[in-house]
Amino acid sequence: GAVVSQHPSRVICKSGTSVKIECRSLDFQATTMFWYRQFPKQSLMLMATSNEGSKATYEQGVEKDKFLINHASLTLSTLTVTSAHPEDSSFYICSAKLGTDTQYFGPGTRLTVL
Amino acid sequence: QQQVKQSPQSLIVQKGGISIINCAYENTAFDYFPWYQQFPGKGPALLIAIRPDVSEKKEGRFTISFNKSAKQFSLHIMDSQPGDSATYFCAATKGGSQGNLIFGKGTKLSVKP
Repeated sequence: GAVVSQHPSRVICKSGTSVKIECRSLDFQATTMFWYRQFPKQSLMLMATSNEGSKATYEQGVEKDKFLINHASLTLSTLTVTSAHPEDSSFYICSAKLGTDTQYFGPGTRLTVL
Repeated sequence: QQQVKQSPQSLIVQKGGISIINCAYENTAFDYFPWYQQFPGKGPALLIAIRPDVSEKKEGRFTISFNKSAKQFSLHIMDSQPGDSATYFCAATKGGSQGNLIFGKGTKLSVKP
């Protein structure tokens, strides 16, 4: 149980295009989902907290107009990287919270912007 | 006060040995302490977690030891195997709907055959 999926697993796009990443909790409902970014050999950096039916809460330094987050249902949150540039290339990982504490992570999405 | 300090940064252990990774926190409001295992190119997987009301929790070869007064907790991997080679992250959070995980910087474990 407690499976979180992400789609796509890898995406390569040209600079200036927008990319949407989906995060789904497959066997549980998640009121709260999180989006992280991870650079090589580093820890996870929280980008934003997504609550179903309300606006996401972004961490300091994360551009909300560039990283659009939508949490339309209790099992789906999406991250859209708008007008992507090479510096946005990274490993993006979502997590979904089960209960009050436990977070289960998706497999991650590798974004490469050319 | 929100930091979680993790050590060592890297660890090499022989097959069959015990791997020990340590974490320390400052915020006494933290009440949930999970450990995650991450393989290259994959998302972190929840390994084991503990709450401050117990001093130790064991699941198979993995054990968390928790010292509330010292504000420290550690992961012990018994009979370490090459398949355990991965990066391990400790984390801490204050429970509740908005509680975010505060991660340590990670420990890269290599188990030599």
